[in-house]
Amino acid sequence: QVQLVESGGGLVKPGGSLRLSCAASGFTFSNYAMSWVRQAPGKGLEWVSYISSTGSTVYYTDSVKGRFTVSRDNAKNSLFLQMTSVRVEDTAIYYCARDPGSGDEFDYWGQGTLVTVSS
Amino acid sequence: QLVLTQSPSASASLGASVKLTCTLSSGYSRYAIAWHQLQPGKGPRYLMKVNSDGSHRKGDGIPDRFSGSSSGAERYLTISSLQSDDEGDYYCHTWATGSYWVFGGGTKLTVL
Repeated sequence: QVQLVESGGGLVKPGGSLRLSCAASGFTFSNYAMSWVRQAPGKGLEWVSYISSTGSTVYYTDSVKGRFTVSRDNAKNSLFLQMTSVRVEDTAIYYCARDPGSGDEFDYWGQGTLVTVSS
Repeated sequence: QLVLTQSPSASASLGASVKLTCTLSSGYSRYAIAWHQLQPGKGPRYLMKVNSDGSHRKGDGIPDRFSGSSSGAERYLTISSLQSDDEGDYYCHTWATGSYWVFGGGTKLTVL
């Protein structure tokens, strides 16, 4: 069955860096675009970043542009989010999500990894 | 700019039905949306995609108690025979050029 497992979250100081990973299994990872979505404490879901199946196309929400970098390793069925210059407002649970190909839905999600930015 | 509007909260009794609404902003009334369920301590769960004509396609393992429909710019998620396990937050979401992936603010469902 499809599984997405995030890791790499933790406590980081403002201005610091963190790398999140998402391990995929149960499907042909290289055929699917992926996204990162986050939920800050007490807030709703917010899309963060997208990467196409080949990695050739990436998008970011404005608040993370220039600070976050999404990448993937299709040989290792893994998705990454490199977070730099983190801010307190980046504190959230980060989820990876699969795009089934339609572009307007996510059909599988991971369980999330918590990132806390605090001094 | 695409905006999805949801009521902050909804409630219904155990065994009853509830209809949650997601409203697309002006100019986007023909867009499909997806519904997701988010419960404490769990990752989001994809429920279904609802098209502008009311047709919908459910995710794997989603019970028949969950259904979708549409009217104009409104997209609905109906949950019948409510169970206590249905409590949680429900989000609609879609994509549009220039707006990318947009989520509604979520509806907190309480089963009484």
